[in-house]
Amino acid sequence: QVQLVESGGGVVQPGTSLRLSCAASGFTLGDFAMHWVRQPPGKGLEWLAVLSHDGVTTFHADSVKGRFAVSRDTSKNSLFLQLLAVGTEDTAVYFCARDWTGNGAFDIWGRGTMVTVSS
Amino acid sequence: QSILTQPPSASGTPGQRVTIPCSGDTSNIGTNAVHWYQQLPGRAPKLVSFFNDKRPSGVPDRFSGSKSGSSASLAISGLQSEDEGVYYCSVWDDRLNEQVFGEGTKLTVL
Repeated sequence: QVQLVESGGGVVQPGTSLRLSCAASGFTLGDFAMHWVRQPPGKGLEWLAVLSHDGVTTFHADSVKGRFAVSRDTSKNSLFLQLLAVGTEDTAVYFCARDWTGNGAFDIWGRGTMVTVSS
Repeated sequence: QSILTQPPSASGTPGQRVTIPCSGDTSNIGTNAVHWYQQLPGRAPKLVSFFNDKRPSGVPDRFSGSKSGSSASLAISGLQSEDEGVYYCSVWDDRLNEQVFGEGTKLTVL
């Protein structure tokens, strides 16, 4: 079964760093570009980052550039998002998604992991 | 605030046809492929149209995407109650080097 499962979220204090994981099953992560998208409570979708299928190229949204970093471990068939010094504005559900076509069409999404930043 | 403009809401009665517009510019919709997602309450988004006008396997043919110039739209015909949700357009922006989403249109079936 083709699926993505995110983990690593939780309630954290402002200034904390954490790493989110996205475990892929039913397909090989390295065959596709992979993205992270987040959704603050009650709000819309915000794209965060992409890692190319060959693992060489990354792009990050300006809003998180320098604080968030996407990476992967092909031996674990997993994608990661490192979050540094989070603030309350980072409170959101974080989704990983498979880019089926390499042109930004996300055909497989995880269920998301919730990150709540609160003191 | 997104660089893609969508109306915040749309509505229709069962059986009707509704169209959700998405407006951008030459650095995004005018150049690159537009994709559409449906998000039902409490669920992850689902791809309902890709590459401007293609439909993923399993998506009813009631859903159809289109693009003209720097604008795109998603049409839903034969509206059903299960179509209620939020619809987002998405496209790569060459100026920002980002995949951008519209702010979403909440569809209500009256």
